[in-house]
Amino acid sequence: AQSVTQPDIHITVSEGASLELRCNYSYGATPYLFWYVQSPGQGLQLLLKYFSGDTLVQGIKGFEAEFKRSQSSFNLRKPSVHWSDAAEYFCAILTGFQKLVFGTGTRLLVSP
Amino acid sequence: EAQVTQNPRYLITVTGKKLTVTCSQNMNHEYMSWYRQDPGLGLRQIYYSMNVEVTDKGDVPEGYKVSRKEKRNFPLILESPSPNQTSLYFCASSSLLRGSGRETQYFGPGTRLLVL
Repeated sequence: AQSVTQPDIHITVSEGASLELRCNYSYGATPYLFWYVQSPGQGLQLLLKYFSGDTLVQGIKGFEAEFKRSQSSFNLRKPSVHWSDAAEYFCAILTGFQKLVFGTGTRLLVSP
Repeated sequence: EAQVTQNPRYLITVTGKKLTVTCSQNMNHEYMSWYRQDPGLGLRQIYYSMNVEVTDKGDVPEGYKVSRKEKRNFPLILESPSPNQTSLYFCASSSLLRGSGRETQYFGPGTRLLVL
């Protein structure tokens, strides 16, 4: 079955440190992958998406993600975290026409 | 400003009292969808609509109804809410003009519902 796994429920990172959020997917065909961020009290905002081509995808707010087919992964990274990055992050995969399947989310906490 | 709006943002109700959560988008999008978000489960699709008068079930449609009488609006109806429908609900919309089925979905701010 098509699915997305985010193995980390919570991650705490010091402000200024680098960040990597993990996402693994299970899908038989070419995956179309997304990362969304949900800030407190806000809706979901698209950070970046991968459809094809370059496996390193740049997004908004300084985020990037790397698609690794051999590892079935699409990890999200940021070189230097800011306090305003504290939020919940969702990885999602497109499994049909406009049909998104989401992971369970990773809550990022940023310590001073 | 392009946006998806939902009302109300917060709602407390009692079991069995019918309620409607409204969703409206100003981007002339054909596709609209409802999700619920529960801890440890992520977001799951409830219903979706490809266009006016075209709706279909998502993964968790039980206990919900929708309608799409106008392109901009896609209300979610709980005819007899139960405590297991306590959740955070998101509406989303996207264009279908290119027909790719891969268009970015834009999400509303969410509606937090508590059913007592």
